[in-house]
Amino acid sequence: DAKTTQPNSMESNEEEPVHLPCNHSTISGTDYIHWYRQLPSQGPEYVIHGLTSNVNNRMASLAIAEDRKSSTLILHRATLRDAAVYYCILRDVGGSQGNLIFGKGTKLSVKP
Amino acid sequence: GAGVSQSPRYKVAKRGQDVALRCDPISGHVSLFWYQQALGQGPEFLTYFQNEAQLDKSGLPSDRFFAERPEGSVSTLKIQRTQQEDSAVYLCASSLLWLAVTGELFFGEGSRLTVL
Repeated sequence: DAKTTQPNSMESNEEEPVHLPCNHSTISGTDYIHWYRQLPSQGPEYVIHGLTSNVNNRMASLAIAEDRKSSTLILHRATLRDAAVYYCILRDVGGSQGNLIFGKGTKLSVKP
Repeated sequence: GAGVSQSPRYKVAKRGQDVALRCDPISGHVSLFWYQQALGQGPEFLTYFQNEAQLDKSGLPSDRFFAERPEGSVSTLKIQRTQQEDSAVYLCASSLLWLAVTGELFFGEGSRLTVL
């Protein structure tokens, strides 16, 4: 799987939008972009994924650059419960297993 | 329960002891993964099962680590002769499909192993 680059940490104020960036300049045409987050003392949980088009779900939005070399996870209104480590992961649709290869992620802090 | 269940949640072992960590995946999920997460790091892949078949064990750090899923549901990760560097959270995840590249992985809360 191709490598991603994320900032180590970010801060946000409660009820404000948060934009979490991810660079993946070596992405291939068959790589899906996945985001997971890990709350303190819990296992990771799925947030969203996409291939080329922007995606929305109840948790977040995923904005994918036209060249697909970067993407942004958007939390529309941060809450204290959104404080977590956010992982941006590429998964090859042609891969044999689908296991996730995690980096260090971005630790998001939310201030009240 | 509806989610992935892991036990024990916490385990303290003396160096040299054997430990066994259990994972109950979501019912009907074909794929099962084990990850190891050291403090302050992202999870690292250990091994993968499709039903009862262990298709990839390339992430197991040594031959002291062994995983099984004999009936294609519950899985056990066994660590023999534990060492201090084995201290970590061990995460289990399951997925409905065998080729889960676009689907979700559902993680348990993990088993925290501390080796003294």
